[in-house]
Amino acid sequence: KAGVTQTPRYLIKTRGQQVTLSCSPISGHRSVSWYQQTPGQGLQFLFEYFSETQRNKGNFPGRFSGRQFSNSRSEMNVSTLELGDSALYLCASSLNTYGYTFGSGTRLTVV
Amino acid sequence: QQQVKQSPQSLIVQKGGISIINCAYENTAFDYFPWYQQFPGKGPALLIAIRPDVSEKKEGRFTISFNKSAKQFSLHIMDSQPGDSATYFCAASITQGGSEKLVFGKGTKLTVNP
Repeated sequence: KAGVTQTPRYLIKTRGQQVTLSCSPISGHRSVSWYQQTPGQGLQFLFEYFSETQRNKGNFPGRFSGRQFSNSRSEMNVSTLELGDSALYLCASSLNTYGYTFGSGTRLTVV
Repeated sequence: QQQVKQSPQSLIVQKGGISIINCAYENTAFDYFPWYQQFPGKGPALLIAIRPDVSEKKEGRFTISFNKSAKQFSLHIMDSQPGDSATYFCAASITQGGSEKLVFGKGTKLTVNP
C-alpha cells in the first residue's frame, strides 16, 4: 500500500515569492495534517483537514494556508516567503484519530 | 501549557546497551503519547505509543514507561543496535473537535556505536 506522497521533494524559492506544496495521503485516509520542521523550533503543527474542512490550526501567520480536495489530497500554500520559512514541511495522514503516517516531506529553501 | 520537554538532546550508546530518552508534559488534556523515529531524509515514523491509563507498553526491544502522576514518560531501547541510530521524538496528542494535534519534543539524536 502506497505511503504518504509529498511533492516536490525539494524546492528553492526567492524571498517574497509564494509556494504550493502537495500531499497525497494513504488511500482511504481522510485526515491530513501539516507540520513544519526546523532545527530551532522542531516539529510544529500547522493545520489539519478532514473531509475538505480545516478542523484545527496551529500558531502560524495567515501567510500559511491550506486546503483539501474531495479525494483527500491536500495542498499548503505559503505566500510572501521569508527566509525563516526555510524548513522541512511534513504531511501526515490518518484513518482515524490517533496514529498518523508521515510523508518524507518537502524541503523548502528560501533565498 | 502545550509543551513537551525532551531530554537528552543527544545520546551515544554502545551496541547492546540500553538507550533511555525522557519526556515531560504539563497539560493533563493530552490523551495519547507516541514516539517517532526519524532517519535523515525521511519523515518521522511511528515507533510505539501509549495511552495514559497504561503504565508500560513493550514492543520488541522498545518499551514506553508512563508515570501519569509525575507527567513523565520515557522510551527504553534494549540491546541497542547501530541501525537504531536516528533521531527520536516523543509527542503528546490532544484531541479537539475530533481533530488530533501532536505536540512534539525537540528530539534526541541517538548514536549507537558498533
